[in-house]
Amino acid sequence: GQQVMQIPQYQHVQEGEDFTTYCNSSTTLSNIQWYKQRPGGHPVFLIQLVKSGEVKKQKRLTFQFGEAKKNSSLHITATQTTDVGTYFCAGPSATGAGTYKYIFGTGTRLKVLA
Amino acid sequence: NAGVTQTPKFRILKIGQSMTLQCTQDMNHNYMYWYRQDPGMGLKLIYYSVGAGITDKGEVPNGYNVSRSTTEDFPLRLELAAPSQTSVYFCASTQGGTYNEQFFGPGTRLTVL
Repeated sequence: GQQVMQIPQYQHVQEGEDFTTYCNSSTTLSNIQWYKQRPGGHPVFLIQLVKSGEVKKQKRLTFQFGEAKKNSSLHITATQTTDVGTYFCAGPSATGAGTYKYIFGTGTRLKVLA
Repeated sequence: NAGVTQTPKFRILKIGQSMTLQCTQDMNHNYMYWYRQDPGMGLKLIYYSVGAGITDKGEVPNGYNVSRSTTEDFPLRLELAAPSQTSVYFCASTQGGTYNEQFFGPGTRLTVL
């Protein structure tokens, strides 16, 4: 079945350093979504990418969708302690008759050391 | 809008007991999902529904049952609880189509002893 993998699984950075997580799908995706889960919280939607090669920015966060639409990345510039959490990517998987479900990546847990 | 609400927030069960986790959304979303998240791990899909009266299995459905009699509610039933079902359970909903974000509830933390 369709799989979505993320690397690294964990990342510890000093505050102010950059951080990148990579998401790889076993199949081509129509779109990809990114979510953030703070410790003890629930996943919250960050952004969606749809077009091949698309790049979107949200302040210090830069999201990219690969040309083949099978991979994506999230880059955080100059991390802050508020960036702590787990970042998930998610891609749609067709279930037949026009319906679908989302497959979540394995997640990257980010810790920021002050 | 309250969004997606889940009850209870916490629960401790004994092995063999049963319970229902409640999930309600007030956004008139067609799609609803149940995920479980084991400590330090990702989200695994248990069951999902694309509309009232329609449900289907996800990756890890064994030991669980669902129903969807209304658009708003999507309860998850645990029968004969086992320690392996100790997890955090998240309910989520989305309008439908592949280009809409999922809204998650706050989660239910379940411990089976």
